[in-house]
Amino acid sequence: EAGVVQSPRYKIIEKKQPVAFWCNPISGHNTLYWYRQNLGQGPELLIRYENEEAVDDSQLPKDRFSAERLKGVDSTLKIQPAELGDSAVYLCASSSLGTLAGDEQFFGPGTRLTVL
Amino acid sequence: SQQGEEDPQALSIQEGENATMNCSYKTSINNLQWYRQNSGRGLVHLILIRSNEREKHSGRLRVTLDTSKKSSSLLITASRAADTASYFCSHSGNTPLVFGKGTRLSVIA
Repeated sequence: EAGVVQSPRYKIIEKKQPVAFWCNPISGHNTLYWYRQNLGQGPELLIRYENEEAVDDSQLPKDRFSAERLKGVDSTLKIQPAELGDSAVYLCASSSLGTLAGDEQFFGPGTRLTVL
Repeated sequence: SQQGEEDPQALSIQEGENATMNCSYKTSINNLQWYRQNSGRGLVHLILIRSNEREKHSGRLRVTLDTSKKSSSLLITASRAADTASYFCSHSGNTPLVFGKGTRLSVIA
């Protein structure tokens, strides 16, 4: 069984440029999460989807960040325009029932973003 | 802000020794989970303990949960060099999912 797939693995852009990250969760997993992880820190939840509905986006900086999961399967996270402080690893995870139900999350390898 | 905190921030032990790390949280929880992250990789789920459980075992891992103290501990017995990683606790309840800063464990062969 394939795990959570993320692309690209690495991205280097100049500030003020747009960038997009793609995630394909494990087949059949209804819940999808996007996290940002800064160096030496734990993951910080940006947004959580239940199927195609964003049920928790309180920590998503909505002035420059957007996300979509149109068909309830794969998802895209976009930053426009990127700032220096956005340099981080962006992790995608999925689970079948959601963690409130006690379900474990399966993480992808992440996309390491460097903003110059 | 992150509400879960692991302690210690870093731990270095010899292979074969036991490693204990702790996690504290501030809100009521439904369950608490421990994850491992190897350098440059995604997180891997280790074990989940529910709020009505006090102790759980999985192989060389032992997790305890004390809801009165809002704390959990992860014990790794007979550590191996391959256990070198960062360990995070995560909990879910009425607040958004949170991870602590992690404990960086180094197991020296």
